[in-house]
Amino acid sequence: SQQGEEDPQALSIQEGENATMNCSYKTSINNLQWYRQNSGRGLVHLILIRSNEREKHSGRLRVTLDTSKKSSSLLITASRAADTASYFCATDYGNNRLAFGKGNQVVVIP
Amino acid sequence: DADVTQTPRNRITKTGKRIMLECSQTKGHDRMYWYRQDPGLGLRLIYYSFDVKDINKGEISDGYSVSRQAQAKFSLSLESAIPNQTALYFCATTGLNEQFFGPGTRLTVL
Repeated sequence: SQQGEEDPQALSIQEGENATMNCSYKTSINNLQWYRQNSGRGLVHLILIRSNEREKHSGRLRVTLDTSKKSSSLLITASRAADTASYFCATDYGNNRLAFGKGNQVVVIP
Repeated sequence: DADVTQTPRNRITKTGKRIMLECSQTKGHDRMYWYRQDPGLGLRLIYYSFDVKDINKGEISDGYSVSRQAQAKFSLSLESAIPNQTALYFCATTGLNEQFFGPGTRLTVL
């Protein structure tokens, strides 16, 4: 199965700054999703971008998708301490089966 | 009440023991999934089910079995637990695109 790979793996920023994470994948996808996980808890869906979309916004989140490069980025603007979490990209490779990346750990310093 | 519940939340068992992890969902969705999460490896799909009569192996099904007792219930069994099955286990369900995750079961096999 394919795996998303996030880059960078760990990010530490000051509150108010923007956080950017990247994800690459290997084969064709139906959509790409981003999830957040707080310290060993269940994952929470953040945003989904379909394979025919290039950019999508949701609140302070902006996700882009470049299918020619098989890559996606997640931008969190004006970060808050509550944004401290691990962020995972996941590719839907058919029938709602998701392949997850290894995750980005983001620490927002108040 | 949570949409996806998992029991137990924590379990310590010994090598060779049989153990069952249970998952229930109130979303009314047909599709359910079991994942395991290991540090640094992200989530990997163990088994998935599209309805009560449909069970499919995921990426890492060896050593595991599942049972779909009802639309709302999907259990994961380790017939003879081994130490490298120590991990965080998540159940999830989906209706269309995004997946809804349970809080996880932290399993330790000694």
